[in-house]
Amino acid sequence: DIQMTQSPSTMSASVGDRVTITCRASQGISNYLAWFQQKPGKVPKRLIYVASSLQSGVPSRFSGSGSGTEFTLTISSLQPEDFATYYCLQHNSYPYTFGQGTKLEIK
Amino acid sequence: EVQLLESGGGLVQPGGSLRLSCAASGFTFTSYAINWVRQTPGKGLEWVSGFSGSSDSTYYADSVKGRFTISRDNSKNTLYLQMDSLRAEDTAIYYCARGWCDSWGQGTLVTVSS
Repeated sequence: DIQMTQSPSTMSASVGDRVTITCRASQGISNYLAWFQQKPGKVPKRLIYVASSLQSGVPSRFSGSGSGTEFTLTISSLQPEDFATYYCLQHNSYPYTFGQGTKLEIK
Repeated sequence: EVQLLESGGGLVQPGGSLRLSCAASGFTFTSYAINWVRQTPGKGLEWVSGFSGSSDSTYYADSVKGRFTISRDNSKNTLYLQMDSLRAEDTAIYYCARGWCDSWGQGTLVTVSS
């Protein structure tokens, strides 16, 4: 099974900051990686698919990059509504696996 | 509009069984794999099981293999998750999600407790 290691597990940042979250796969997954945002009590929302494609309706300050085993989610300028938990998901092969999550907190 | 609606959650004793349903609408059901994903309150997301769209292939996480069974009824556009031999650690919100998890239902809560 493919393991996804996401870092950091928590981070503090301020409005306007540039933020990067990383996921590392235990083996190559091509570009079959998605990023999700989840706010408390809400359903996860997909932000990025196939590593770098922006989901329709998602602000352009979100971007994704990477392929193979190393992937990043970048938020170019944090907005108040971006404080949430973020997860990566590999869907290259079953069983699908999520990263452990990154909780983004206000500094 | 894509819609996924889970049902069937509730309180069950350890060792008991429960069947979850996921009713789909707004898309061609047979064209997509459908997955079950769960989340323990306050914890992360865990992929549980998937049913392919193009074949009858089914997939399970090691944590549920041999206890859970996924199935689908294409005539009803509905996915099921039969959960047997339930344990306290199966307590979670269970979501169904389409394909590469682009759309999710609202979830149904399963509580395993005596």
